[in-house]
Amino acid sequence: GIQVEQSPPDLILQEGANSTLRCNFSDSVNNLQWFHQNPWGQLINLFYIPSGTKQNGRLSATTVATERYSLLYISSSQTTDSGVYFCAVDRNGNKLVFGAGTILRVKS
Amino acid sequence: KAGVTQTPRYLIKTRGQQVTLSCSPISGHRSVSWYQQTPGQGLQFLFEYFSETQRNKGNFPGRFSGRQFSNSRSEMNVSTLELGDSALYLCASSLSVGRANEKLFFGSGTQLSVL
Repeated sequence: GIQVEQSPPDLILQEGANSTLRCNFSDSVNNLQWFHQNPWGQLINLFYIPSGTKQNGRLSATTVATERYSLLYISSSQTTDSGVYFCAVDRNGNKLVFGAGTILRVKS
Repeated sequence: KAGVTQTPRYLIKTRGQQVTLSCSPISGHRSVSWYQQTPGQGLQFLFEYFSETQRNKGNFPGRFSGRQFSNSRSEMNVSTLELGDSALYLCASSLSVGRANEKLFFGSGTQLSVL
């Protein structure tokens, strides 16, 4: 099956700093989504981005499907950005394979 | 619009018992999928339902089953509980299966503890 690798596994930032999270996947996909899991366990959908670039406020994402990777950019980080960021992919449909996640801690 | 609703939020069971978890998708969403999250295995796909039919199934034993009703609400059942079934069970909904721009929206989950 598809393998998903996320890096870095852990990241500690000072409030206001920028960061880039990476997701590599082992096969072509038609579905790629980024999620943020807050400290209460809620998974929030950030982007549906099987290819191209999207922006939403301080967050943006880019997927280069031909090279099988996606990047999530967080600018001017805030303490509320803390949590775990997951990348999830599927070839066709919603049987998502999740990466292990990046644990982000933003310090004030 | 209300989000995905899962009940109950917490459950404590003992080995050998069975449990039923409930999920109500976002109004208008017809696809419901279930995921298990554990510290050791991460997030793993259990199954997906669309129009009361199971469309996909993950690599879990037959003790894990589910169903979807005509109003798109879904239940999953775990029989003969084992300690390793302790996990956060997450339900997600989307408009349909395999369409472009199909975001998944997750509920808050049911935290199951098996003693």
